[in-house]
Amino acid sequence: DAGVTQSPTHLIKTRGQQVTLRCSPISGHKSVSWYQQVLGQGPQFIFQYYEKEERGRGNFPDRFSARQFPNYSSELNVNALLLGDSALYLCASKLGGMNTEAFFGQGTRLTVV
Amino acid sequence: AQSVTQLGSHVSVSEGALVLLRCNYSSSVPPYLFWYVQYPNQGLQLLLKYTTGATLVKGINGFEAEFKKSETSFHLTKPSAHMSDAAEYFCAVSDLTSYGKLTFGQGTILTVHP
Repeated sequence: DAGVTQSPTHLIKTRGQQVTLRCSPISGHKSVSWYQQVLGQGPQFIFQYYEKEERGRGNFPDRFSARQFPNYSSELNVNALLLGDSALYLCASKLGGMNTEAFFGQGTRLTVV
Repeated sequence: AQSVTQLGSHVSVSEGALVLLRCNYSSSVPPYLFWYVQYPNQGLQLLLKYTTGATLVKGINGFEAEFKKSETSFHLTKPSAHMSDAAEYFCAVSDLTSYGKLTFGQGTILTVHP
């Protein structure tokens, strides 16, 4: 069975540009979350979606947005990129319940120059 | 608000020695607790989790952790380190009120010497 897949794996963008990251959850999983992991730190929660509705939002500026599609895949959009947005962006999928395991993808490494 | 503190950003052990990675949490409601491992340039893999029930939790690759409510701790141990255990380890907390949102610690890099 395929795990959580993220695309692209690496990305280089210029300051001020916009970027879209994509995530396909494990088949049957209805919850997708996004995390930002800056080098040397733990992952920070950005968004959670369940059944196509936003269920949680972390402390990130409005430049960050996301959505979940009918097939439960998800996109994370970041506008007006800053150098500080350079990080590993992780997507996690869950079956849905509170105490069910979150399965993480390999991440998208975003570098802003 | 929840928080997680991992004591020691770097831990170094010899192969065959005991591994002890420390995690303390803060939560106003009964927590769910997790340990994840991250190998270079990869995502996170779940080692073990505590939700309810038995406070000593066994995970993959010989790791285990004990939930101690009185100490608000969830330390990760392994009796005998292997070279393949070298990685970064993250403790995380969640609860029923946060819809499964994970709050992670800063991580501990484990180095295993021959």
